[in-house]
Amino acid sequence: GENVEQHPSTLSVQEGDSAVIKCTYSDSASNYFPWYKQELGKGPQLIIDIRSNVGEKKDQRIAVTLNKTAKHFSLHITETQPEDSAVYFCAARSPGGTSYGKLTFGQGTILTVHP
Amino acid sequence: DAGVIQSPRHEVTEMGQEVTLRCKPISGHNSLFWYRQTMMRGLELLIYFNNNVPIDDSGMPEDRFSAKMPNASFSTLKIQPSEPRDSAVYFCASSSGYSGNTIYFGEGSWLTVV
Repeated sequence: GENVEQHPSTLSVQEGDSAVIKCTYSDSASNYFPWYKQELGKGPQLIIDIRSNVGEKKDQRIAVTLNKTAKHFSLHITETQPEDSAVYFCAARSPGGTSYGKLTFGQGTILTVHP
Repeated sequence: DAGVIQSPRHEVTEMGQEVTLRCKPISGHNSLFWYRQTMMRGLELLIYFNNNVPIDDSGMPEDRFSAKMPNASFSTLKIQPSEPRDSAVYFCASSSGYSGNTIYFGEGSWLTVV
């Protein structure tokens, strides 16, 4: 099955700096890569996603890049703000068979943005 | 839209008791997922339903866990008998269709077994 590795496990930045979180996946057939933000006491919320036919996607201060050859994808947050502090999860979806629609999540990154 | 609704939000129970967690997916969504989140193991998929039919239950830890989806608007996850190692946050999530559509999570049910 799919295996997703996420780094770093914790990330501390100053307000206004950029933050980068990286993930690698094992199944070359995976074709959908969402990123979720989880605030304390809440469920994960989708913040951005990318599909395997796209190399980069941006949404205001958030961007995701995908390198299919190397099987890794990254989340970039620019001009970080204290409210960006949360746990961020990457995920990968493998198509086909009984795992169709199943997401495999990374272990999460605790991002702390210091004012 | 009301989002995915889970109940109870918090549950404290004694070892050996039966626990039932409930979920109402987003109206119109035909895929439903139960996830478990712990510090040690992160987010794990327990079971996946599509059109009320269990498609993948390979993540269900053992026979003490069971899940049902009697109709498109309701699902339960039951643990009987519960054990302290079942303490975790259980998330229900839903999406429409198979193909990479956004999966929306509920707020979770925080279970503590003492």
